[in-house]
Amino acid sequence: AQSVTQLDSQVPVFEEAPVELRCNYSSSVSVYLFWYVQYPNQGLQLLLKYLSGSTLVKGINGFEAEFNKSQTSFHLRKPSVHISDTAEYFCAVSPRGYQKVTFGIGTKLQVIP
Amino acid sequence: NAGVTQTPKFQVLKTGQSMTLQCAQDMNHNSMYWYRQDPGMGLRLIYYSASEGTTDKGEVPNGYNVSRLNKREFSLRLESAAPSQTSVYFCASSDGASTRREDEKLFFGSGTQLSVL
Repeated sequence: AQSVTQLDSQVPVFEEAPVELRCNYSSSVSVYLFWYVQYPNQGLQLLLKYLSGSTLVKGINGFEAEFNKSQTSFHLRKPSVHISDTAEYFCAVSPRGYQKVTFGIGTKLQVIP
Repeated sequence: NAGVTQTPKFQVLKTGQSMTLQCAQDMNHNSMYWYRQDPGMGLRLIYYSASEGTTDKGEVPNGYNVSRLNKREFSLRLESAAPSQTSVYFCASSDGASTRREDEKLFFGSGTQLSVL
């Protein structure tokens, strides 16, 4: 079985400041890792994913994440946030070869003007 | 291109009533899923269907049943609704059989907000 821990339930940050949303996972097998974003009253959209290869993954809207196998982490970063980035962000993991995805509890990013 | 369509968007039930949440996708995806989203608990998988004709329990299946009617449609039924089933329900789909793992991702509907009184 796998699990995901998102360490911060809410992260307030000023506009144009950098942000890091933290995610740790546990699994007994190799996994794929994902970040999804949910804007108010909408379903989730894929932001980026790590399947294999380079540990630094770039996604949409200027976000990137780094896979760290030794620390079992997949933290999401953006160097300069915008008001439009205000949303809830979910880290997720799935075993390789399967589609059963396990989600974290989510981190609400609030960008302050 | 509609993607994943869920109906209804909102529903209020009384305890003990039954209802079916409908989901349809037009992307020819093999796999479909039902999740529920609760504050502080993220998304939890209720049931999934890896391919047409198969269904499997997820993390929280109790109190629910599903039907994979055809490749496009995957419905979720509450036989006797309970207040603990008050939640936002999301249907999702994925290719599931893609030979390019890089193409795998979940596509979500916009959700059904269900209140059980």
